[in-house]
Amino acid sequence: EAGVAQSPRYKIIEKRQSVAFWCNPISGHATLYWYQQILGQGPKLLIQFQNNGVVDDSQLPKDRFSAERLKGVDSTLKIQPAKLEDSAVYLCASSRTVLYGYTFGSGTRLTVV
Amino acid sequence: TQLLEQSPQFLSIQEGENLTVYCNSSSVFSSLQWYRQEPGEGPVLLVTVVTGGEVKKLKRLTFQFGDARKDSSLHITAAQPGDTGLYLCALRSNDYKLSFGAGTTVTVRA
Repeated sequence: EAGVAQSPRYKIIEKRQSVAFWCNPISGHATLYWYQQILGQGPKLLIQFQNNGVVDDSQLPKDRFSAERLKGVDSTLKIQPAKLEDSAVYLCASSRTVLYGYTFGSGTRLTVV
Repeated sequence: TQLLEQSPQFLSIQEGENLTVYCNSSSVFSSLQWYRQEPGEGPVLLVTVVTGGEVKKLKRLTFQFGDARKDSSLHITAAQPGDTGLYLCALRSNDYKLSFGAGTTVTVRA
């Protein structure tokens, strides 16, 4: 089966600009996660979707981050405006249900200058 | 908040040597997963351990879950350059969310 697709692979923006990341999970996977991985750290959960509903967004900085999964398939994560500390790899993962293991995408590496 | 500590932070060894990395929790956990992440890629699940004292083997990798379910280790025998990567342990909570440690960066020199 095809893996989790993410784009773009790399993005460089200036602080205070906006950026959006896209994720296409594995077909049939109801659960989708966005993680932030800062250099030297493990991934940190930002938001979890079950189909098109948000299950957990407790660690999402909602003043600048937003995410949606309108049709329960693709998802976008947006940052507006970006700060220097948002420089990280943004990983998307999906699973058939919460009971199953995750499959991660290759991530989007964001650099904010 | 349950915290995971991984050690060492970095490990560099020669091909053919053995290595062990450790994962320790501030409290008892129900299940733990080990992932390997190669540069420019997402983490890939290696194993899930759920029973205290459990030992699982995956070719040259041996995973052990402590009896008290507060610690785990990953041992690699006769390491190869292809074993190079970031090894992450992750706690799986009762609601199936994952919390990751900071990882151990392993470099195997040819």
